[in-house]
Amino acid sequence: AQRVTQPEKLLSVFKGAPVELKCNYSYSGSPELFWYVQYSRQRLQLLLRHISRESIKGFTADLNKGETSFHLKKPFAQEEDSAMYYCALTGGANNLFFGTGTRLTVIP
Amino acid sequence: DVKVTQSSRYLVKRTGEKVFLECVQDMDHENMFWYRQDPGLGLRLIYFSYDVKMKEKGDIPEGYSVSREKKERFSLILESASTNQTSMYLCASSLFTGDGYTFGSGTRLTVV
Repeated sequence: AQRVTQPEKLLSVFKGAPVELKCNYSYSGSPELFWYVQYSRQRLQLLLRHISRESIKGFTADLNKGETSFHLKKPFAQEEDSAMYYCALTGGANNLFFGTGTRLTVIP
Repeated sequence: DVKVTQSSRYLVKRTGEKVFLECVQDMDHENMFWYRQDPGLGLRLIYFSYDVKMKEKGDIPEGYSVSREKKERFSLILESASTNQTSMYLCASSLFTGDGYTFGSGTRLTVV
């Protein structure tokens, strides 16, 4: 069975500080991992996916198969990064399986 | 831009009513999905469809049904609404398996 764990429901960091949102997964095959973000009063949107290996809005995420993790990182948090972040995986089926989300607050 | 449009932003319904939530996408996507979003529980898949007239149960299908008569439209039906179905409902679509999803803005349903 597939599982996505985001251990922190809430995370607060000061502006300019590094931020790391944790995501661990459980899946027997080779999953595809994603990070989605929901800003206040906006729809949920794709932030990045591991296969593209790109940096979006300064965020990066590396898939670590040994630790089954896909943590989201940004070296210097900005106030506009405050949002709800969801880690998700798909393992060949048509559907994405989401974690429970982490609400990030960046303190000015 | 891909657009996924949910017909209602807010709905208030009475217990026992039959409720229809409509979702339309305009980019010819094969796959469509219905999730509910609850604080502390994240997004949970209710139903999904990978083709017209095809449907698959997700993780929490009880109390719900779906209809996909046309490729662009995916409807979620609450046969007899109950208070525990009060939630934010999100529709999404994707072009192919493993592709990122495009979400609608959500329908906040309150059952009283």
